[in-house]
Amino acid sequence: GQNIDQPTEMTATEGAIVQINCTYQTSGFNGLFWYQQHAGEAPTFLSYNVLDGLEEKGRFSSFLSRSKGYSYLLLKELQMKDSASYLCAVLGLGGFKTIFGAGTRLFVKA
Amino acid sequence: DGGITQSPKYLFRKEGQNVTLSCEQNLNHDAMYWYRQDPGQGLRLIYYSQIVNDFQKGDIAEGYSVSREKKESFPLTVTSAQKNPTAFYLCAAGGGVNQPQHFGDGTRLSIL
Repeated sequence: GQNIDQPTEMTATEGAIVQINCTYQTSGFNGLFWYQQHAGEAPTFLSYNVLDGLEEKGRFSSFLSRSKGYSYLLLKELQMKDSASYLCAVLGLGGFKTIFGAGTRLFVKA
Repeated sequence: DGGITQSPKYLFRKEGQNVTLSCEQNLNHDAMYWYRQDPGQGLRLIYYSQIVNDFQKGDIAEGYSVSREKKESFPLTVTSAQKNPTAFYLCAAGGGVNQPQHFGDGTRLSIL
């Protein structure tokens, strides 16, 4: 079957660094996306990895290991506005269907 | 403004009633999608369309129907056969290799 696992909730302190992990088992792989979703709002795109390694984009970085079926999203210099859900999503076979994880709710405290 | 427009933002359904959620895009994407999101769960695919006049069932299509008569529009009907329709519904367009999906602001559907 197809499965994406990520922690349900995480808490971190303003100014700190947090790493959100994601493991996946899918039929076919055409890349992995991370989205941010504030409560009651639309998901917004953060990052995309298709090759192994680290992609850095400002305060956000994302890592992929295809052989391990593993990715993480790294958020640096946490701000209160980073409190949101973070969705790990895999683009599957054929390149047009995306499978989403349940999301990790991140709480940033002062 | 370019993007995905969903309406209404909030919708209430009576027992036995069909309701239709609107989704319009001006991004010129061929592919469009409908997802359902329940508390504590990820997005689950209801229906998707890769091209006008064609659409496919997703993982939870029972109790839903769609049409794709125009490239810009992909309405979703929640029929009375859907016994647990209360959820947050998201429409998306685009997506593919190195192309993220663009989402509308969602419609929250509740039962009266």
